[in-house]
Amino acid sequence: GESVGLHLPTLSVQEGDNSIINCAYSNSASDYFIWYKQESGKGPQFIIDIRSNMDKRQGQRVTVLLNKTVKHLSLQIAATQPGDSAVYFCAENYQGGSEKLVFGKGTKLTVNP
Amino acid sequence: EAQVTQNPRYLITVTGKKLTVTCSQNMNHEYMSWYRQDPGLGLRQIYYSMNVEVTDKGDVPEGYKVSRKEKRNFPLILESPSPNQTSLYFCASSFYRNQPQHFGDGTRLSIL
Repeated sequence: GESVGLHLPTLSVQEGDNSIINCAYSNSASDYFIWYKQESGKGPQFIIDIRSNMDKRQGQRVTVLLNKTVKHLSLQIAATQPGDSAVYFCAENYQGGSEKLVFGKGTKLTVNP
Repeated sequence: EAQVTQNPRYLITVTGKKLTVTCSQNMNHEYMSWYRQDPGLGLRQIYYSMNVEVTDKGDVPEGYKVSRKEKRNFPLILESPSPNQTSLYFCASSFYRNQPQHFGDGTRLSIL
């Protein structure tokens, strides 16, 4: 998701539904990608990562999909719970003049009970 | 408990008054980094350190200094703070660059 101005993209789902959060990355040479979750008043918390030699990786209730052809990353959360409500960031390990971690602007997920 | 600790958590100060935000990690991580988070701009890297005595600029280093004299500590120094440095700051660490970073709980700085 891309942000516009000061407003984060938002996703609102019902408790128990599956959520899909999307992210477009910028550098085709990026070799490592991470998803973070940030709850209000806290620092980002690691969820799951994936290296560029993989297309899919699964964790507990979460799956990350990587499509290198279109430079797209997605995070799928199964059976979304109210505790999943947070801002979700993707990050890419950017291989440019100097290697660095570049974060997306985030997507706000709201889970309705 | 494995953690990244930042101090202070909140600070209101005035333009030009030097300040330091401390960051300490107890996980023996080699890589440490500072970010600022601003509405609509996300997390932007200020400085990072690959190991003791090795530091490098991130995306927005102007107005900031860092040092890495010991593995566990990575202080962020604002020699002459200005209002455009009002932001939420995060310190993070990991064993190496290409690994998930552990973040502190943030320091909210207001420069008047």
